[in-house]
Amino acid sequence: KAGVTQTPRYLIKTRGQQVTLSCSPISGHRSVSWYQQTPGQGLQFLFEYFSETQRNKGNFPGRFSGRQFSNSRSEMNVSTLELGDSALYLCASSPNGGPAYGYTFGSGTRLTVV
Amino acid sequence: AQTVTQSQPEMSVQEAETVTLSCTYDTSESDYYLFWYKQPPSRQMILVIRQEAYKQQNATENRFSVNFQKAAKSFSLKISDSQLGDAAMYFCAYMGTLTGGGNKLTFGTGTQLKVEL
Repeated sequence: KAGVTQTPRYLIKTRGQQVTLSCSPISGHRSVSWYQQTPGQGLQFLFEYFSETQRNKGNFPGRFSGRQFSNSRSEMNVSTLELGDSALYLCASSPNGGPAYGYTFGSGTRLTVV
Repeated sequence: AQTVTQSQPEMSVQEAETVTLSCTYDTSESDYYLFWYKQPPSRQMILVIRQEAYKQQNATENRFSVNFQKAAKSFSLKISDSQLGDAAMYFCAYMGTLTGGGNKLTFGTGTQLKVEL
């Protein structure tokens, strides 16, 4: 059974640009969540999607957005990149998003903003 | 808001010995889940063990077990017979069950575990 796949693995962008990250969940999983991991702030929740609807959102500016497609694949977009957006972005999938099932994480996308 | 605290930034253990990682949390909810995740250098977060708050019995998974003290809001992880492959960053995490606050994991700051020969 394939795991959670995140692409690309590494990304270098220039300040002011925008970026789109992709996440393919485990087959049959309908919930996808995104987290940002930085040395200073640790792991922080960005948002969660379930059946193409955003169910929960963390405390991030509007430059961070996401969407989920009918096949449960999800993308997150960051516009007008800032140096502080450099981080590891992790995606996690779950059958229905409930805590009883836990979450399976991907290996992340390492974004560097220069 | 829920918070998770891991007070040990680094821990070391000898191979084959036992080590305990500490975690405390704060919540006003009565029903919730607690998790320990492991993050090796490969970056992927791997679920180690899960505890449901309404279950008094401590969860175990092979060499991994927890000591869940609900009243004290404490959730420690014990690793027995430590192996070199256990070396990683360990994160304690909380997830509530209320509709408004559920479906998101709140993580602690992590404990870096080193396993020595």
